[in-house]
Amino acid sequence: GDSVTQMEGPVTLSEEAFLTINCTYTATGYPSLFWYVQYPGEGLQLLLKATKADDKGSNKGFEATYRKETTSFHLEKGSVQVSDSAVYFCALIRTQGGSEKLVFGKGTKLTVNP
Amino acid sequence: DAGVIQSPRHEVTEMGQEVTLRCKPISGHNSLFWYRQTMMRGLELLIYFNNNVPIDDSGMPEDRFSAKMPNASFSTLKIQPSEPRDSAVYFCASSFLRLPRIFGEGSWLTVV
Repeated sequence: GDSVTQMEGPVTLSEEAFLTINCTYTATGYPSLFWYVQYPGEGLQLLLKATKADDKGSNKGFEATYRKETTSFHLEKGSVQVSDSAVYFCALIRTQGGSEKLVFGKGTKLTVNP
Repeated sequence: DAGVIQSPRHEVTEMGQEVTLRCKPISGHNSLFWYRQTMMRGLELLIYFNNNVPIDDSGMPEDRFSAKMPNASFSTLKIQPSEPRDSAVYFCASSFLRLPRIFGEGSWLTVV
């Protein structure tokens, strides 16, 4: 079935470092892809999305490009801040029986040190 | 806007007891989702309401779980009887669309 695989964390970086969190997916067809962020003690929030191949989603300095050829949707940021410390979830939409469901990866915890 | 509000934030209960989790979605949102998060299984969709009507409850694990949405501003997730394997964080989320956009802070349930 459809699934999402994220790089295992935790990831620890210094402020202003470059961030990449890898995400690959397995799906039939061309699902829409998403990144969600969960800050400490809070619920998840939609960070960005891409709905078709070569689309680039971007928000708050984060970017991810939908790569059909490599079935990937890696999250990147050029210069991380302490406030970016959170858990990041990659997700895709799965259509089953006429309904749509979000399928989440396990999450990658990012810690940014000053 | 206060966001999605869940209660209780934390609950510890004994096996066999009834547990009721509550959610107040963002005003104006017409879709509400209940998710369960565990280390082993990650985030799983339990049930999805649209305009107060359950659209997809295929993720509800078994008959011990039930969810209601009596009006646009309130939903409950009930577990009766609870079991230790139900220990998890339960998230409620709401949206204008079929995708959850804003999640609540979660209800951390421990069944002993």
